[in-house]
Amino acid sequence: EVQLVESGGVVVQPGGSLRLSCAASGFTFQNYVMYWVRQPPGKGLEWVSLIGWDGTRTKYADSVKGRFTISRDNSRNSLYLQMNGLRTEDTALYYCAKDMGDPRFYYMDVWGRGTTVTVSS
Amino acid sequence: SYELTQPPSVSVSPGQTARITCSGDALPRQNVYWYQQKSGQAPVLVIFDDSKRPSGIPERFSGSSSGAMATLTISGAQVEDEADYHCYSTDSGGTHWVFGGGTKLTVL
Repeated sequence: EVQLVESGGVVVQPGGSLRLSCAASGFTFQNYVMYWVRQPPGKGLEWVSLIGWDGTRTKYADSVKGRFTISRDNSRNSLYLQMNGLRTEDTALYYCAKDMGDPRFYYMDVWGRGTTVTVSS
Repeated sequence: SYELTQPPSVSVSPGQTARITCSGDALPRQNVYWYQQKSGQAPVLVIFDDSKRPSGIPERFSGSSSGAMATLTISGAQVEDEADYHCYSTDSGGTHWVFGGGTKLTVL
């Protein structure tokens, strides 16, 4: 069974930093593109970032570019999101998600349960 | 920045057909994907490539796309289909991936 388990969400002050982790199991992690998607309280989903199977290709939403860094460790079946310069608008439930594996289009087929990040003074 | 537009809410009675729309300038050229998110749960893929259904998704869920609008149709909606539905796609260049604002489906 494919499983994604996020961790690392806490309450942090504006301007602070945080690293989220996602532990993957049940599939060959190194073969798949991975994502971070977030959901502010009571709002819709927001695509945040993706990383290619070997970590060399990364993409970011304009709202986080230059502040967040996605990375992965294929030897540990783990995905990360380093978040710097946090703002109150970054407050959200952060989901880790696995790519479907379709070479024609990037989309998610399995999601974790999320980890909550709260940016507040 | 690219945007996908969905109605905030749709309401139907059990057994009726629910239709949720998603509009975007690039939809004539890009596929649409639909996710169901029940309260307090992670999203689940219910439609991919505009109209295909993953295994395990009931046949009452279907998708279509014409021009700049895609539609998720739930034929004979059930109470357990009550959820938020999010469309997902990318811009014309395939470089900005976005979700629609989400539609809350009420079945009662």
